[in-house]
Amino acid sequence: AQSVTQPDIHITVSEGASLELRCNYSYGATPYLFWYVQSPGQGLQLLLKYFSGDTLVQGIKGFEAEFKRSQSSFNLRKPSVHWSDAAEYFCAVGNTGTASKLTFGTGTRLQVTL
Amino acid sequence: SAVISQKPSRDICQRGTSLTIQCQVDSQVTMMFWYRQQPGQSLTLIATANQGSEATYESGFVIDKFPISRPNLTFSTLTVSNMSPEDSSIYLCSVRQGESRYNEQFFGPGTRLTVL
Repeated sequence: AQSVTQPDIHITVSEGASLELRCNYSYGATPYLFWYVQSPGQGLQLLLKYFSGDTLVQGIKGFEAEFKRSQSSFNLRKPSVHWSDAAEYFCAVGNTGTASKLTFGTGTRLQVTL
Repeated sequence: SAVISQKPSRDICQRGTSLTIQCQVDSQVTMMFWYRQQPGQSLTLIATANQGSEATYESGFVIDKFPISRPNLTFSTLTVSNMSPEDSSIYLCSVRQGESRYNEQFFGPGTRLTVL
């Protein structure tokens, strides 16, 4: 069975500082990996996804993530955080079946201080 | 992209009652899903809503507790039956256009349910 671990429940960074959110997955084959962001009162928005190819994936809002098979990781990064980035971030893994069900991590809440 | 609306956005219900949540999409979609997000926890897939047939439930979820309807390609409902405080969660509708796993999966704003 697939699973996702986000070890950091809550992270606080200063505006302008760099950010890295950790994600580790467990899956028997090549995973399909996603990062979603959930702002208060909003639905989840897809930041980026990895299916194959280049292991460094660029997303929206200046985010990027790197797939490292050897470490079973898919960490999310941003070089300079903005106050509007404060939100809940979810890493997810999709299976390779037709339905491609998503399994989510427990999320990391990002707080940005000014 | 797909724009998803859910009704109600939030509700407070009494133990033992039932609540039906509606999900409306602005375009026809192939796949519709219902998720639950319990307080402080991750999203858990409840079921896949199938048009014209019974929903496909995940382990731990049953039709008697979470009946689902999907009469067409743009609308679905989830009912939370005989509610208890443990059902207090955010319930999210999600859609994907086409069956391909490469298609983006969109999420609605959620319905925040509190059961007293």
